[in-house]
Amino acid sequence: DSGVTQTPKHLITATGQRVTLRCSPRSGDLSVYWYQQSLDQGLQFLIQYYNGEERAKGNILERFSAQQFPDLHSELNLSSLELGDSALYFCASSLLGLGVKETQYFGPGTRLLVL
Amino acid sequence: QQQVKQSPQSLIVQKGGISIINCAYENTAFDYFPWYQQFPGKGPALLIAIRPDVSEKKEGRFTISFNKSAKQFSLHIMDSQPGDSATYFCAASDLYGQNFVFGPGTRLSVLP
Repeated sequence: DSGVTQTPKHLITATGQRVTLRCSPRSGDLSVYWYQQSLDQGLQFLIQYYNGEERAKGNILERFSAQQFPDLHSELNLSSLELGDSALYFCASSLLGLGVKETQYFGPGTRLLVL
Repeated sequence: QQQVKQSPQSLIVQKGGISIINCAYENTAFDYFPWYQQFPGKGPALLIAIRPDVSEKKEGRFTISFNKSAKQFSLHIMDSQPGDSATYFCAASDLYGQNFVFGPGTRLSVLP
């Protein structure tokens, strides 16, 4: 158990809808990362927050947004969903927010299916 | 230039054998090269990482070899075990660790 929690575990929704994925980092970690993993795109870094502020952006679509709250939990909002958004979404956390230069602890993921 | 290529896509090795996974990159600004291990149903976990100022790093049965001039690096798993069966991702990042990209992954199966 990494100490990172993600909810929900599974999510089934329809095209055009909006969903929110939630992540609670490990106790003491200040940084949260979001990743998308799909069969055709592989593992892609979406966005990173550190202590409430956006620190780095990867291949995140404009339809997607995220935020980190004062209690350090984070939410990833996906809107105008398309079939191609079906994927496993991981959240990871780390203490110092040094990207891959620091051990990131991954949560169990949220599996999103868009029908 | 941001891409990291990884091969093979899948690998089957007998127990006790050596598993070798190769990665190549183009961006000379990449400064840090980690490997991740992912078991089915789990998130990736950092396995081992190397900086370009060394040519090899070993941790237990896992070794990274790095060839800066060829812009290639590889993961060697010695004495491979069925418990090593997982998907392995190489990655590359810049100096600050924030600009990073993953390889497409290699699915390793170690037969008992």
